[in-house]
Amino acid sequence: LAKTTQPISMDSYEGQEVNITCSHNNIATNDYITWYQQFPSQGPRFIIQGYKTKVTNEVASLFIPADRKSSTLSLPRVSLSDTAVYYCLVGSDLTGANNLFFGTGTRLTVIP
Amino acid sequence: DGGITQSPKYLFRKEGQNVTLSCEQNLNHDAMYWYRQDPGQGLRLIYYSQIVNDFQKGDIAEGYSVSREKKESFPLTVTSAQKNPTAFYLCASSPGRTKPQHFGDGTRLSIL
Repeated sequence: LAKTTQPISMDSYEGQEVNITCSHNNIATNDYITWYQQFPSQGPRFIIQGYKTKVTNEVASLFIPADRKSSTLSLPRVSLSDTAVYYCLVGSDLTGANNLFFGTGTRLTVIP
Repeated sequence: DGGITQSPKYLFRKEGQNVTLSCEQNLNHDAMYWYRQDPGQGLRLIYYSQIVNDFQKGDIAEGYSVSREKKESFPLTVTSAQKNPTAFYLCASSPGRTKPQHFGDGTRLSIL
């Protein structure tokens, strides 16, 4: 069961780069890694997804080492509107429903 | 616009009463999910459906029931057997298990 572990909270100043790491020691061969962002009283929103190495889109980068036992979400030059909870999710088409484990996430606070 | 619609936004339940939360999607996604979120906590999977007329229990299915008679609809019933139903309920859908999930805006359920 590829459950995940993330820091509970992080603080960052505006304009800084933020890196949030997720540990998933039991990740399976077919599992993908997906990150979501959630604001209060809203549903999570997809940020980025990857399987190995590095993935980059217009809002973030995802770094995955060769052993895939962890992943790092990188947010460049954060702003106050990036204050939210960030979740790392690991799962695949081949594993059961119980592999959809969001965990408690990382609460990022961006400070002016 | 394609998306997921959850209704109602707020719902109140009396003791011993069953209530049904609606979730409709027009994204043509095969998979649909129900999560429960308690204050300050992450998302916990209640039920998951990969295809019409099929669904699987998640981590906390006791006291809940679902149906998937149509691809677009995945209603969740909170039964009187669920002793602590007060929570924020989120519905999601995805094209498949490895694909990112799209979430609704949630239903907040409270006990009168």
